[in-house]
Amino acid sequence: KAGVTQTPRYLIKTRGQQVTLSCSPISGHRSVSWYQQTPGQGLQFLFEYFSETQRNKGNFPGRFSGRQFSNSRSEMNVSTLELGDSALYLCASSWKGSRQNTEAFFGQGTRLTVV
Amino acid sequence: AQTVTQSQPEMSVQEAETVTLSCTYDTSENNYYLFWYKQPPSRQMILVIRQEAYKQQNATENRFSVNFQKAAKSFSLKISDSQLGDTAMYFCAFMNPSGSYQLTFGKGTKLSVIP
Repeated sequence: KAGVTQTPRYLIKTRGQQVTLSCSPISGHRSVSWYQQTPGQGLQFLFEYFSETQRNKGNFPGRFSGRQFSNSRSEMNVSTLELGDSALYLCASSWKGSRQNTEAFFGQGTRLTVV
Repeated sequence: AQTVTQSQPEMSVQEAETVTLSCTYDTSENNYYLFWYKQPPSRQMILVIRQEAYKQQNATENRFSVNFQKAAKSFSLKISDSQLGDTAMYFCAFMNPSGSYQLTFGKGTKLSVIP
């Protein structure tokens, strides 16, 4: 089956701009989570969406937002970009169907560079 | 809040040898899941192995096995017969599935397999 697809793979933006990243989960998966990965902070949780509702949010400023559509595809948006937002953004999909379905499957990530 | 600690930033192992990566975590929860993820230079996060806290038996996946010590809150990964393709960053991760599928990651261990 098709894996988690993130687009675009690479992005270069200027400070002050905004950006939208997209994630298409594995078919049937209802949970999509977003993570920011940087050399200094490691992997940090941004937010999780389940059936179009945000269930959990990490400790990030309000410039970071997201949403999930009825087909489970998710987007995250970063407004007023700062240099420190340069990172690899990873999306993970999971299916809350039973105790056996807790694995998170990751996409290849979007490398965002803010200049 | 949960924390995950990986005390070995870098490790190396000779091809065909065995290596153990360490991970400790802190939680007040009784029901949770622990994971080891592998991230090769391609950036794709790949699930290596999963352990459910309520299971006393250590999980095993081919050359990969864990030593889960619940009372000590320790979750180490043993890689047997190391192969060049095992060269990657390895992340230990914690999930409390009751609320969301949020993963809390350690800082990672960079493993190099030497020919």
